[in-house]
Amino acid sequence: DVKVTQSSRYLVKRTGEKVFLECVQDMDHENMFWYRQDPGLGLRLIYFSYDVKMKEKGDIPEGYSVSREKKERFSLILESASTNQTSMYLCASSLWDVQYFGAGTRLSVL
Amino acid sequence: DQQVKQNSPSLSVQEGRISILNCDYTNSMFDYFLWYKKYPAEGPTFLISISSIKDKNEDGRFTVFLNKSAKHLSLHIVPSQPGDSAVYFCAASGRAGGTSYGKLTFGQGTILTVHP
Repeated sequence: DVKVTQSSRYLVKRTGEKVFLECVQDMDHENMFWYRQDPGLGLRLIYFSYDVKMKEKGDIPEGYSVSREKKERFSLILESASTNQTSMYLCASSLWDVQYFGAGTRLSVL
Repeated sequence: DQQVKQNSPSLSVQEGRISILNCDYTNSMFDYFLWYKKYPAEGPTFLISISSIKDKNEDGRFTVFLNKSAKHLSLHIVPSQPGDSAVYFCAASGRAGGTSYGKLTFGQGTILTVHP
């Protein structure tokens, strides 16, 4: 069975903190993605990766960076968290078009 | 620039009736379309998809229709059940003309409520 695991379900951080969101998939998928979901805005792509150490900016990369050192793991980094980064963060992986999602991390930045 | 739009934020339907969720797109390079379902506190799960070479795809109670000339797709759920209550997202990708890396563009989502 397909499994994408996000390390935390809920996270509370302070403004200016460096935040790491971790995602692991066990399907040997080439592609991995980070989205944020906000009411009325749907899922917006932050970054994606199509291979180890490869990354591409999505639609809203500002304030974020990513790391993919191993095929199964894709990390999202908020270098200096701000209140407007309070959101639901979703990780996904895919081989082709169908993406498989983790359960999400609800991040609150105070 | 919202390339995939779901103009109805919410839809309310009686159990047993048909639910119709709509989605419009503007990018003519999109050639593969998907619907996802999302329950609260869970990630989206894949529901059904359709390629641009087809105009209809069925899977049990779920049917997706594609009208390429109108750049419009719809998801029909018949009969609707209370367990179908969730947020539904449509998504699109452009497979042709190069490597898309499976990148999807999502709509804003429609909250479906099915009343018993």
